[in-house]
Amino acid sequence: SAVISQKPSRDICQRGTSLTIQCQVDSQVTMMFWYRQQPGQSLTLIATANQGSEATYESGFVIDKFPISRPNLTFSTLTVSNMSPEDSSIYLCSAAPQGPDTEAFFGQGTRLTVV
Amino acid sequence: EDKVVQSPLSLVVHEGDTVTLNCSYEVTNFRSLLWYKQEKKAPTFLFMLTSSGIEKKSGRLSSILDKKELFSILNITATQTGDSAVYLCAVSGFGNEKLTFGTGTRLTIIP
Repeated sequence: SAVISQKPSRDICQRGTSLTIQCQVDSQVTMMFWYRQQPGQSLTLIATANQGSEATYESGFVIDKFPISRPNLTFSTLTVSNMSPEDSSIYLCSAAPQGPDTEAFFGQGTRLTVV
Repeated sequence: EDKVVQSPLSLVVHEGDTVTLNCSYEVTNFRSLLWYKQEKKAPTFLFMLTSSGIEKKSGRLSSILDKKELFSILNITATQTGDSAVYLCAVSGFGNEKLTFGTGTRLTIIP
């Protein structure tokens, strides 16, 4: 199975600040995905990060709040900007290293608490 | 819009019992259905199903897909306390690699 390294594992941040989460895949992938899991909820897709083009955001998520970088085929970052307590969630990156017809794997997740 | 509904939302059983978790879905141009186990933060992959009627099996866990009725089940036999987790069902469609997740079933195994 693929290895997806995500960091930080957890952080406690002050409201109004920003946090950048990094995700490294051990092989090249076309697409990487960023999910949010609010307390007691399931995973909600924030955006799809494509290498060489702008990320595609899902309804309810905007680039100004969640800017994404995808500088190469193995790495992506998600920034949570101008944080408020409502942003307290687990953030997860995901990729399907073997291609779209194979299973997607997840990074270890980032537990973000905004105070 | 793609949709996944899981039932029950939570389940508490005794060690040794057998459980069946349900997942129904609506997706445009179905590609696959996946089951994940989430104990802490990161979901871990269990099964990927693409064809109807073919059971996938891994130890005490098994899963099957019915593409006509648009549902899947995940069975766990002889449950153990280590099976306690949230089980997530997700679907994807052709032309779109993203996964749409259900709300999950929280399974608790009592010793």
